[in-house]
Amino acid sequence: GAVVSQHPSWVICKSGTSVKIECRSLDFQATTMFWYRQFPKQSLMLMATSNEGSKATYEQGVEKDKFLINHASLTLSTLTVTSAHPEDSSFYICSARTPQETQYFGPGTRLLVL
Amino acid sequence: AQSVTQLDSQVPVFEEAPVELRCNYSSSVSVYLFWYVQYPNQGLQLLLKYLSGSTLVESINGFEAEFNKSQTSFHLRKPSVHISDTAEYFCAASPTDSWGKFQFGAGTQVVVTP
Repeated sequence: GAVVSQHPSWVICKSGTSVKIECRSLDFQATTMFWYRQFPKQSLMLMATSNEGSKATYEQGVEKDKFLINHASLTLSTLTVTSAHPEDSSFYICSARTPQETQYFGPGTRLLVL
Repeated sequence: AQSVTQLDSQVPVFEEAPVELRCNYSSSVSVYLFWYVQYPNQGLQLLLKYLSGSTLVESINGFEAEFNKSQTSFHLRKPSVHISDTAEYFCAASPTDSWGKFQFGAGTQVVVTP
């Protein structure tokens, strides 16, 4: 079946630094990818929709300058958490939509900001 | 806009006993409905989905869910659980015209004990 990977799986960084998370569709082309955030013991919250070749669409309350999304190719979307702070510590999950309209989720990236 | 409500945050159940996880949704537009499972320290895995057609959908590992339009419900059931079914279960809805933008429920933690 289709696979979506995320890199890194774990990242620890200092407050004030930026962190880039990659989401790749390994065996299909994804014109649309989605980024979610999951806080401990909570559900996933959609952050933004990433469209290949165009600007991302952010959900209400998500700072686009804080969470930079780039979807430079049909198999790669990146989420950069800029000037990360401890409150940005979370589990970040991407998903990718196949041309057949099936959705696959990545394994997630756990971010800890010290 | 849509919302998804999972009525139970945690469901303890004995091995080989039946389990039902409740999910209700509300939406001003047509939605597709899903159940995802998240094992500890892993990403989301699709359990089953309702897109159209038969209101009863089944997974390969014994789970089933029934779409009830009048009650706006999509409850998940399994007649006999295994220890390995211990996980977090998420109900989700996605608009049919914005396929992939998921609204997740808060999740139900299923703990299966011998």
